Amino acid sequence: DAKTTQPPSMDCAEGRAANLPCNHSTISGNEYVYWYRQIHSQGPQYIIHGLKNNETNEMASLIITEDRKSSTLILPHATLRDTAVYYCIVRVVSGGGADGLTFGKGTHLIIQP
Amino acid sequence: KAGVTQTPRYLIKTRGQQVTLSCSPISGHRSVSWYQQTPGQGLQFLFEYFSETQRNKGNFPGRFSGRQFSNSRSEMNVSTLELGDSALYLCASSVTGRNYEQYFGPGTRLTVT
Repeated sequence: DAKTTQPPSMDCAEGRAANLPCNHSTISGNEYVYWYRQIHSQGPQYIIHGLKNNETNEMASLIITEDRKSSTLILPHATLRDTAVYYCIVRVVSGGGADGLTFGKGTHLIIQP
Repeated sequence: KAGVTQTPRYLIKTRGQQVTLSCSPISGHRSVSWYQQTPGQGLQFLFEYFSETQRNKGNFPGRFSGRQFSNSRSEMNVSTLELGDSALYLCASSVTGRNYEQYFGPGTRLTVT
């Protein structure tokens, strides 16, 4: 699986868009980009995933560059409840079932009031 | 739709004892994965079950075992508990387990004394 690099921490003002970058320069053609977050003392929460096209759901938008070497997770109107550690993961989707997620260090996003 | 539920939420056991943790997946989800999360090792994959069969397994000793029932509910068992087994045990469900869009429960916090 491709390695990912994320900034260790970021601040964002409440109500503004939070843009979280992820570098995955060694990504291969069949690897998807997944984003999760974990709020302190809670289980991880799936946010969004994509292959090459930009994706949007009720939680966030995922922008993947054309060369797929990096992506950005956008929380359009951050609230205090979005304070969490955000993980960018790159994985191949195969027919044999998921063999488990692994999280790196992620980005600690702090939303400031 | 109800989320993933795990019971119990907190557990204190003595070294040498065994423990059984339970997970009820989201309705319609047939894949259940188990993870161990500790501050030092991060998130580590234990195993994944689909249609009552273990389909994938992480690198844990045989003291860690699991099973899945016909209604997709799952249990994991840890025998001969060690102090190092103290951790947050997380269960995640997905529709088929063929990708990494997984929905986590709140976890069971196990403390071994």
